[in-house]
Parts: sequence; C-alpha cells; structure tokens
Amino acid sequence: DTEVTQTPKHLVMGMTNKKSLKCEQHMGHRAMYWYKQKAKKPPELMFVYSYEKLSINESVPSRFSPECPNSSLLNLHLHALQPEDSALYLCASSQEMRQGGDEQFFGPGTRLTVL
Amino acid sequence: GIQVEQSPPDLILQEGANSTLRCNFSDSVNNLQWFHQNPWGQLINLFYIPSGTKQNGRLSATTVATERYSLLYISSSQTTDSGVYFCAETGANSKLTFGKGITLSVRP
Repeated sequence: DTEVTQTPKHLVMGMTNKKSLKCEQHMGHRAMYWYKQKAKKPPELMFVYSYEKLSINESVPSRFSPECPNSSLLNLHLHALQPEDSALYLCASSQEMRQGGDEQFFGPGTRLTVL
Repeated sequence: GIQVEQSPPDLILQEGANSTLRCNFSDSVNNLQWFHQNPWGQLINLFYIPSGTKQNGRLSATTVATERYSLLYISSSQTTDSGVYFCAETGANSKLTFGKGITLSVRP
C-alpha cells in the first residue's frame, strides 16, 4: 500500500477560526512532511518530522502548528490564518529522513481557502 | 542551494505525439524524482531515478548524473497525460527541491 491520505479535501475558514488538517500513512514510513503549494508554483517545504520528532521547520509562521501523535499520523493545526495562506497543503512520507533522501510519496492534498 | 530548471515551461501536443521533458540541476544529484500533478492537485510518483534509465509503460526516464540532467519521455500521449510535470532533487536532510514544472496539454 503506497497511499497517503489527507482530510479534509477542501476547507474554507475565517481568519478567526481554528481548524486542523490530517494526514495518515500505513507504509511504515518514519519521515513525514508538510508542503504548501500556491497556484502555478511548485510545492514548498514547511515541516519535516522524523521518528515523530520535528526535525525541520522552514521558518513557518506560528499560526501553523504541526503535530505528529504517532508514526502514522501527522496533523497541521491552523489558527488566525490570513487570506494569503490560501493554498493546497500537501502531506508526504518517506522511509526515513536522511541525507541523499528516500523516495517521497504524496497525499492528494487539502485545498484551503481563508476568507 | 540546489537549483532545478525544467524546460520547456509549456508544451502542447496532439494526442498520439511523443515528447521529451528536460530537467537540469545545479549540483551532484543524490536522488531525483519525477512527478505528474493532475488537475485535482494530486502529485503522482512517476520515477525515482538518481541515475540510469527506467521505463513504465509509455513513460521512460533517463538521468545522466555526471552531466546533471534528467529526461522524461512520453510516447503516444493521451489526454489524461495533461497536467504539470515536476522534477525534484533530494539534497541534504531529504529536502526536495522542485523545478518550476512543465505544463503539458494534450489535445484530442
């Protein structure tokens, strides 16, 4: 099973709302990633978790708060977002996080609109 | 940092035609991936190819690491091949650096 799942598929929220994005994989991967993709741009890395510990934060604003409750799950908690945060949020996983890299597998994404 | 350049930026094909998409990278490649992003946003893994040649049906890819480029070949294109094709190189700490993508439109 090479599937990464994400919920919800679409999310519309106001600037004062709190919401969460969820990601799940059952491939036994120990590295999980959040990416943000704006229209007509490539994905940009936000966070990397390795063995359930935050390894990389690409200077993401604190209104985005990641969480890795176990090796299969990755959440992204959203609070006080701005309209410019509207984007496609992609989750990915790989066997491990190591120099040289393992193949990353992506979920279908959550399309977020902030009003 | 690593730079990944893709060409051409846009490509329009008639169904049944063949095409070659190119990816140049600025540093020694650790691992290189090709993805197809469909109109719904899903990034589909096509190839994981740090060097050599691989084939999967109508698609094949070749990476020449010593010359820092990779090519994706699409033969007998179909309308379902439309979308954006990204190559991405893995550098330190598993960070994927994506190219800007190639937008392919296959017309019936």
